[in-house]
Amino acid sequence: GAVVSQHPSWVICKSGTSVKIECRSLDFQATTMFWYRQFPKQSLMLMATSNEGSKATYEQGVEKDKFLINHASLTLSTLTVTSAHPEDSSFYICSAGITDTQYFGPGTRLTVL
Amino acid sequence: GQQLNQSPQSMFIQEGEDVSMNCTSSSIFNTWLWYKQDPGEGPVLLIALYKAGELTSNGRLTAQFGITRKDSFLNISASIPSDVGIYFCAGQPPNFGNEKLTFGTGTRLTIIP
Repeated sequence: GAVVSQHPSWVICKSGTSVKIECRSLDFQATTMFWYRQFPKQSLMLMATSNEGSKATYEQGVEKDKFLINHASLTLSTLTVTSAHPEDSSFYICSAGITDTQYFGPGTRLTVL
Repeated sequence: GQQLNQSPQSMFIQEGEDVSMNCTSSSIFNTWLWYKQDPGEGPVLLIALYKAGELTSNGRLTAQFGITRKDSFLNISASIPSDVGIYFCAGQPPNFGNEKLTFGTGTRLTIIP
């Protein structure tokens, strides 16, 4: 149990385009999901907390207009990177929680050319 | 964002050796979690600790929640090749309703043939 999936697993896009990443909890419902970004050889950095039915809460320094988050249902949250640029290239990982434990998706590798 | 102090940063060991790593914080946590991340994948939960002083095992892995609630350690006994990867600790603060995790900087484990 407690499986979280992400789609796509990797994406390559041109600078200026937008990319949508999906995060799904497959066997449980999650009112809260989290989005992280991880640069090479670094730890996970929380970008935002995604709340079902309400606006996401963004961490300091994360542009909410650039990283659009939608939590449409108890099993799906999406992260859209708008007008992507090469510096947005990173590994994006979502997680969903059950009680006090978070389970992570397999991540999405974004490369912006 | 805030990060936990995790040490060592990297370890080079021979197969069969025992491994020990720890995390420390200046603030207390209600929950300590240990994750393992393989290259290009999301973190996988190894052990979850919910009470100060708690000692929990998962096969060859043993982790403890420090009595001061400001630290935790993870031990791996008789290491095998599949133990290679990056290990992260993560803590959840005692704020009611706050599920956000703070991550350690990671320990990269390499097994020398």
